[in-house]
Amino acid sequence: SAVISQKPSRDICQRGTSLTIQCQVDSQVTMMFWYRQQPGQSLTLIATANQGSEATYESGFVIDKFPISRPNLTFSTLTVSNMSPEDSSIYLCSVRGVGGVPGEQFFGPGTRLTVL
Amino acid sequence: AQKVTQAQTEISVVEKEDVTLDCVYETRDTTYYLFWYKQPPSGELVFLIRRNSFDEQNEISGRYSWNFQKSTSSFNFTITASQVVDSAVYFCALSEAPTGANNLFFGTGTRLTVIP
Repeated sequence: SAVISQKPSRDICQRGTSLTIQCQVDSQVTMMFWYRQQPGQSLTLIATANQGSEATYESGFVIDKFPISRPNLTFSTLTVSNMSPEDSSIYLCSVRGVGGVPGEQFFGPGTRLTVL
Repeated sequence: AQKVTQAQTEISVVEKEDVTLDCVYETRDTTYYLFWYKQPPSGELVFLIRRNSFDEQNEISGRYSWNFQKSTSSFNFTITASQVVDSAVYFCALSEAPTGANNLFFGTGTRLTVIP
């Protein structure tokens, strides 16, 4: 398994501001992902964070709203830009490829974001 | 079409009762993985099990057991002698072609409440 940490664990932000969420993994992983879980809902993939290249975004998510960085194989950031109350969600970082085991995917503890 | 269906939105059981959480999936791939995750009130996603499409053996881990049936595209999860600590939202998920595809498709989750 992998130990995944996220910062911040929670935040309350004002409308129109931006928040950057950090994800740190204790080992090198091939694939890192960002998910959103809106209140009472399931998880939805925002994007795949690719090391050394632009992130790959899922339908309904755009880079201007959710810019992502992945400077190396253990770290990624997700920024939620120009926030509105609809962005209030848990944002989860996820990794796959730990130890080369196909299919295993682990999640960070999540960042609980409230936008006022 | 929904790739993973968890028809039970909420289930309540009395402590020590057995409970089965249903999961039905849909895929055209012959190689895929199925997962169960637990999300307690604290919000983190806890990995419970991964099963690949070529392994239909049922699995037991303590009070947890999983019944994978390709004929009915189901991957059900049973908790025996439930405990209050089992109260959580449980998600079933599907990964297609896990060495290449990026996404875990999550079901909508089943909220289990174990009443003392």
